[in-house]
Amino acid sequence: AQKITQTQPGMFVQEKEAVTLDCTYDTSDPSYGLFWYKQPSSGEMIFLIYQGSYDQQNATEGRYSLNFQKARKSANLVISASQLGDSAMYFCAMSLNQGGKLIFGQGTELSVKP
Amino acid sequence: NAGVTQTPKFRVLKTGQSMTLLCAQDMNHEYMYWYRQDPGMGLRLIHYSVGEGTTAKGEVPDGYNVSRLKKQNFLLGLESAAPSQTSVYFCASSKSWTADTQYFGPGTRLTVL
Repeated sequence: AQKITQTQPGMFVQEKEAVTLDCTYDTSDPSYGLFWYKQPSSGEMIFLIYQGSYDQQNATEGRYSLNFQKARKSANLVISASQLGDSAMYFCAMSLNQGGKLIFGQGTELSVKP
Repeated sequence: NAGVTQTPKFRVLKTGQSMTLLCAQDMNHEYMYWYRQDPGMGLRLIHYSVGEGTTAKGEVPDGYNVSRLKKQNFLLGLESAAPSQTSVYFCASSKSWTADTQYFGPGTRLTVL
C-alpha cells in the first residue's frame, strides 16, 4: 500500500539554525514524485520543493533542500537558516504513476524560536 | 493570473442541505483534484479529473459528486450534507500526472451543523 509517514508531530528550532523534517514513503511503483508543502496558520498550501524518483541530484530551492535516500525510502526536508516566518505545518506528499494525485503525510508542526 | 480559485471561502450548512463548491483554474491544466483536510491531518483525495468530461474516485469519495464540464472548472457537490463532512476543502490542479507542481486553491471551510 502506498503511504507517507511523518513521525514528528512537532519540532522546535532556534532562529538561524538548520532543521530537518523527516518523511518516509512506501510504494512499489518505480515512478513517483515527492513533494513538500508548507501550510501557515492562514491555511493555504504553499509548494516548496519537488523530487522525482529518477532524479539523480537532490532537489534544492533556496533555503530548502530535499535529502532523497531512495534505498531507505526517505525524503527529508532540510531548512537552512530558519526564520520566524518558517513557523508552520509542513506536509510531505507523494504522487504516483496513476493520475498525479497526491498522498499526504500527517504533517509536522515547526516552531521557530527567536 | 489568478491561478486556482475556490468559491465560496466559508459556508455553514444544516444536516441534509446540499451545496456545490466551485473550483476554477486559468492555467489550462488538464488535471484537477478535490481534497479534504480534517483537523490535525494531511489532505485526503476525494475525487479527481484527468481531463474535461472525466472524473474518478479518490480515497474518500462517499457522499460527494463531481463534474468537469469545462476544462477550467471542477465542481464538488454535497447532495445531503452530514456533520462528518465538516472540513476544509482544497482544490488543486496540475498540467500532467508527471508535473512537478500541484497548485492549490485557498480552501473552503465548510461546517455542517
